[in-house]
Amino acid sequence: DTGVSQNPRHKITKRGQNVTFRCDPISEHNRLYWYRQTLGQGPEFLTYFQNEAQLEKSRLLSDRFSAERPKGSFSTLEIQRTEQGDSAMYLCASSLDPGQGRSPLHFGNGTRLTVT
Amino acid sequence: GESVGLHLPTLSVQEGDNSIINCAYSNSASDYFIWYKQESGKGPQFIIDIRSNMDKRQGQRVTVLLNKTVKHLSLQIAATQPGDSAVYFCAEVSQGGKLIFGQGTELSVKP
Repeated sequence: DTGVSQNPRHKITKRGQNVTFRCDPISEHNRLYWYRQTLGQGPEFLTYFQNEAQLEKSRLLSDRFSAERPKGSFSTLEIQRTEQGDSAMYLCASSLDPGQGRSPLHFGNGTRLTVT
Repeated sequence: GESVGLHLPTLSVQEGDNSIINCAYSNSASDYFIWYKQESGKGPQFIIDIRSNMDKRQGQRVTVLLNKTVKHLSLQIAATQPGDSAVYFCAEVSQGGKLIFGQGTELSVKP
């Protein structure tokens, strides 16, 4: 499977705990995006990387959230001191550089986080 | 601010009929749009895209129409099948390549 891979698929944690999610993008894609989706809503942009550089962060991304892409390949999203409001599906997507013409984002199947 | 919205939250069609899902966008400077299909428990799946220099683009059983005058986008699915049942999102590509999604339309196909 050469698509975007996310792990774990599901995570249940208690309020106040830290969690970390991993995303492996399509190998030739230099752009990587994180989105959050709650039930019945469209995905909301969180942040994105061009290679290893984090170029933009949404105001939705509080100080408790941090994302990294250390070698320009896989990425991790960490949430510290989780709150019940963090419960959502966290989606990762990758694409080629938009400067190369049509470059749709390709999504993984997400990590569903439940904070109890 | 920028926004993308859908006219109908739900759509129910008979198997074999054609489906039309509509979408409005607000940023007249947007030049790239994408339709995604999302099945339960899965991430959005790319269906078709269109650049603003086109007004129509066809894929396999799907057609996207873009009307820049009224800032309207539609997705047409021919001969709708039960496997087409899902939530459909249009997305506007903003500067930097990030997507702005609307709320989505749930398509239900009755056999």
